[in-house]
Amino acid sequence: SQQGEEDPQALSIQEGENATMNCSYKTSINNLQWYRQNSGRGLVHLILIRSNEREKHSGRLRVTLDTSKKSSSLLITASRAADTASYFCATGIFQGAQKLVFGQGTRLTINP
Amino acid sequence: DTGVSQNPRHKITKRGQNVTFRCDPISEHNRLYWYRQTLGQGPEFLTYFQNEAQLEKSRLLSDRFSAERPKGSFSTLEIQRTEQGDSAMYLCASSLPFRLAGGRNEQFFGPGTRLTVL
Repeated sequence: SQQGEEDPQALSIQEGENATMNCSYKTSINNLQWYRQNSGRGLVHLILIRSNEREKHSGRLRVTLDTSKKSSSLLITASRAADTASYFCATGIFQGAQKLVFGQGTRLTINP
Repeated sequence: DTGVSQNPRHKITKRGQNVTFRCDPISEHNRLYWYRQTLGQGPEFLTYFQNEAQLEKSRLLSDRFSAERPKGSFSTLEIQRTEQGDSAMYLCASSLPFRLAGGRNEQFFGPGTRLTVL
């Protein structure tokens, strides 16, 4: 079963605008990660935020984490056509396999 | 290319046939994961290896599925007597040894093997 839920499921914006995606999860986590997946391809790691962090930046990406609300957001600023992809949040749970539990993803489309 | 590689990239088979996929992780990564992803969904965990030991299997991994990592390097995932419901993208990922990862479990994914069962 999926741990998280992304919101919205699909987002379409104009190039240059900012895109915000949200993720909610259910259980206690060690960290939360965001991945990007271009159509029909493997996943690319974008950013990891630990459970004791509240905000993290990487280039045009900004991630926030609110463990009290069990939620995270990913902001992509100044979007580009190349940002068109599906974005997944994944929670890292340090029990046994340290596997990642993914949400269903947000499909982001950047219109030129 | 020093990333995770998977072969084949695409596999079309008839129901009832057996298929085998291969994953070659990043060389210094001792942790290896298999995930399955169906259309419109996020990846779902199947199984995990630390070196050659298979330490966890999901309930999704029925008796028809078997995974191996005999020498702690590449891994294979075999599906016996395939069913149409097995059609999916099978993703492999690897990560650094826990002691080197600094408590992070950032995983590096391969391009996946897309299986279509007719």
